[in-house]
Amino acid sequence: EPEVTQTPSHQVTQMGQEVILRCVPISNHLYFYWYRQILGQKVEFLVSFYNNEISEKSEIFDDQFSVERPDGSNFTLKIRSTKLEDSAMYFCASSGPSGRETQYFGPGTRLLVL
Amino acid sequence: RKEVEQDPGPFNVPEGATVAFNCTYSNSASQSFFWYRQDCRKEPKLLMSVYSSGNEDGRFTAQLNRASQYISLLIRDSKLSDSATYLCVVTGDYKLSFGAGTTVTVRA
Repeated sequence: EPEVTQTPSHQVTQMGQEVILRCVPISNHLYFYWYRQILGQKVEFLVSFYNNEISEKSEIFDDQFSVERPDGSNFTLKIRSTKLEDSAMYFCASSGPSGRETQYFGPGTRLLVL
Repeated sequence: RKEVEQDPGPFNVPEGATVAFNCTYSNSASQSFFWYRQDCRKEPKLLMSVYSSGNEDGRFTAQLNRASQYISLLIRDSKLSDSATYLCVVTGDYKLSFGAGTTVTVRA
């Protein structure tokens, strides 16, 4: 069964450093998403991406964040200058042609900012 | 008011019991509704979509009440493997809005 994959599974970084989280969505999916979940809190939407551009973003997704689809398979989330409060689990998700199909989540990257 | 509100639980039930819980949503324009399941420190996984007419998938029954803006999930004949956090999820566009989850623990 096709699945969304994410790397790395864990990342520890120093405050102020840049991190890039990587995702490989399901191959025939066209819509891509990033969500985050701070420990003990709910899953929160960050951004959706379609046709090589952001289709929607939340207020969490400020100028420190960016997304990119550098090639035909990867979808990345970059945090330019990490803060302590960026520590969270980051989930990538993808969905099919209309964007309204089921979203399938990757296993997540646990980011710890020290 | 939160977009999606859930009773956090925990619901602690014996194997074989029936457990049910609800969630409410604030956006009347919401179009699609789901229950996801999340195991500890893992990704959310779709349990089932929720349709206006109500729907069943094995031991799981979901109901949607658009007028009152609430969604319910009922689990019959609980198994140990049903222990998880159940996430109520609502969407009107492309993003998913999650509730904080209802924790269910099934004991032997």
